[in-house]
Order: sequence, then structure tokens, then C-alpha cells
Amino acid sequence: QQQVKQSPQSLIVQKGGISIINCAYENTAFDYFPWYQQFPGKGPALLIAIRPDVSEKKEGRFTISFNKSAKQFSLHIMDSQPGDSATYFCAASNYGQNFVFGPGTRLSVLP
Amino acid sequence: DGGITQSPKYLFRKEGQNVTLSCEQNLNHDAMYWYRQDPGQGLRLIYYSQIVNDFQKGDIAEGYSVSREKKESFPLTVTSAQKNPTAFYLCASSGGRNSNQPQHFGDGTRLSIL
Repeated sequence: QQQVKQSPQSLIVQKGGISIINCAYENTAFDYFPWYQQFPGKGPALLIAIRPDVSEKKEGRFTISFNKSAKQFSLHIMDSQPGDSATYFCAASNYGQNFVFGPGTRLSVLP
Repeated sequence: DGGITQSPKYLFRKEGQNVTLSCEQNLNHDAMYWYRQDPGQGLRLIYYSQIVNDFQKGDIAEGYSVSREKKESFPLTVTSAQKNPTAFYLCASSGGRNSNQPQHFGDGTRLSIL
């Protein structure tokens, strides 16, 4: 019940395209859903986060869509760029007590 | 600049040796965490601490030990009992219980066996 599932495992997108990564959770106590971006040899960096009282949050080219009833949330990267090539992790927490991470998605954006 | 500092960036361990990885934060966060990341894999929780002088085992604590004597510091010791220690180790911190804030990560320590 603590698991966060993430798909796809890897994703290849052409420059300018839309990258979509999906996550699903079981624990209804989760109330905070961040996304992290990790470049090789670096620690994950917070990209964008959402709480379950909203269905969508947008920051620049990055958008989180959240479906509380389906217990699913997704990251959309619009106008994907080669510099977006990285590993992306979704995560969930219940009020700061437990952080559970998805297994990650390796995104490659072709020039 | 507030953040998390991990040192060293690279570390080599000899057989039978214990090594200690440093993690310091100046974010005034209560909670700190250690994760292990293997190539192409996700994050696995080793230990975490919600408050000074208290810590709990994560999913893969065997062969590791920690201490939390100061709020700012959460060192991780990889003991000789950890038979496969080669990995990328990440330290993180957050506001802790009831804070509903994200974790912030350091830039990791890469540990290899000589």
C-alpha cells in the first residue's frame, strides 16, 4: 500500500514534443505529490509539486495533472528540449512522515 | 545559500573497512534521510531521522549505521558487514512531521570498492 508505481520506465521524445510520465498510488493518506528531476551524478532536484485539493498545477513548461478518485497523477513536459533529458521521479508523502518514490523514468529528448 | 552538503564526492573502501559519509544541512530541517541508488535504479531508504537523537531503519538498513547528535548533521557509516556497498548515496532533509514540505537532496557520494 506504500508503493508508488511509475511508467514508462524509459521515454524517447523528439524536440518540441510532449513528454508524459504517469504515477499511481494506493495509500489514500498521501497528501503531497512532488516530482523530482535528476541529472547523472547529481542529486534529485524538486521540479514541481501538487496537493490533492487541486487537479492541475502548471509551472512554465511543466504541468502536473492529479486525479484523486483514480489515485493517479502525471507530469507533462510541453515543448520538450534536449536539456530536459534526465531521470524523473514521482513521489508521495503523508504530511511529511513518509516519502515514497516511484522507480523513475529515464527521458531522452532527441534534437 | 541554504542547502545540503555531502562529502566526499567520491569514496573508496577497502575490504573489511568501515567508511563514513558526511551530510550537513543548513535548512533548519528537522528530518534527515539516507538513500542508496544503484545504477539505473530508484531510491532505496537506508535510515531516517525525524528529530535529534532519534532515528529509524529504512528498507535496507543492514550493514549501515547512523547517528543524529546535531540537527544539522546526519553521518552514515557503511560497515564491513555491508557486502555490496558500491552505489551512489544520497542524503536528504525535509521539514519533518506535519510540515508537508518536499525533501531536498544533496549531490551524493559515490562509493566504490578497492
